[in-house]
Amino acid sequence: ELKVEQNPLFLSMQEGKNYTIYCNYSTTSDRLYWYRQDPGKSLESLFVLLSNGAVKQEGRLMASLDTKARLSTLHITAAVHDLSATYFCAVDYTGGGADGLTFGKGTHLIIQP
Amino acid sequence: NAGVTQTPKFQVLKTGQSMTLQCAQDMNHNSMYWYRQDPGMGLRLIYYSASEGTTDKGEVPNGYNVSRLNKREFSLRLESAAPSQTSVYFCASSRNRGIQPQHFGDGTRLSIL
Repeated sequence: ELKVEQNPLFLSMQEGKNYTIYCNYSTTSDRLYWYRQDPGKSLESLFVLLSNGAVKQEGRLMASLDTKARLSTLHITAAVHDLSATYFCAVDYTGGGADGLTFGKGTHLIIQP
Repeated sequence: NAGVTQTPKFQVLKTGQSMTLQCAQDMNHNSMYWYRQDPGMGLRLIYYSASEGTTDKGEVPNGYNVSRLNKREFSLRLESAAPSQTSVYFCASSRNRGIQPQHFGDGTRLSIL
């Protein structure tokens, strides 16, 4: 059974600071996704990481994937209030017959002025 | 530019009632998915359809049925609703299985009394 663990689950930080969200998963996979969800809203795709060593950047967010360590990180640089949201990582595991994504529980991020 | 459309957006049911949640996508995607999201949890896969004419169980299929009516539409049915099925339900689609990110609808907030 694929398990996806995120930490921290809750993070309160100040504007201008840097921080990293971690996503560990239990089964070999080379496809990992990051999503953003605002309160009461749907999920928005942020990054798709498809291979070991993949690094993607968009604005103040940078995501990376280490398939050997089964670890992905989402790094926030010089945080701003607009980045407050819940961030989910999800792993695509197609080795066991089940399709779809397995999600972590999400990191609830609050960025205070 | 609708993307993935879910109806209804909100619904309250009594225990034992039945209901069908509707989902339609206009992106010509082959794969469609139903997830549920409970407080403090990531999304969990209920059922998916890799292509028109096929459906398969996900992680939490008990108490649900699905129909892939055509390439555009994928419905989720609760035959006899239970309070444990109170949740937010998200439909998603992707061009094919894996690799591409899934595009999510706005969700259906379902309460069962």
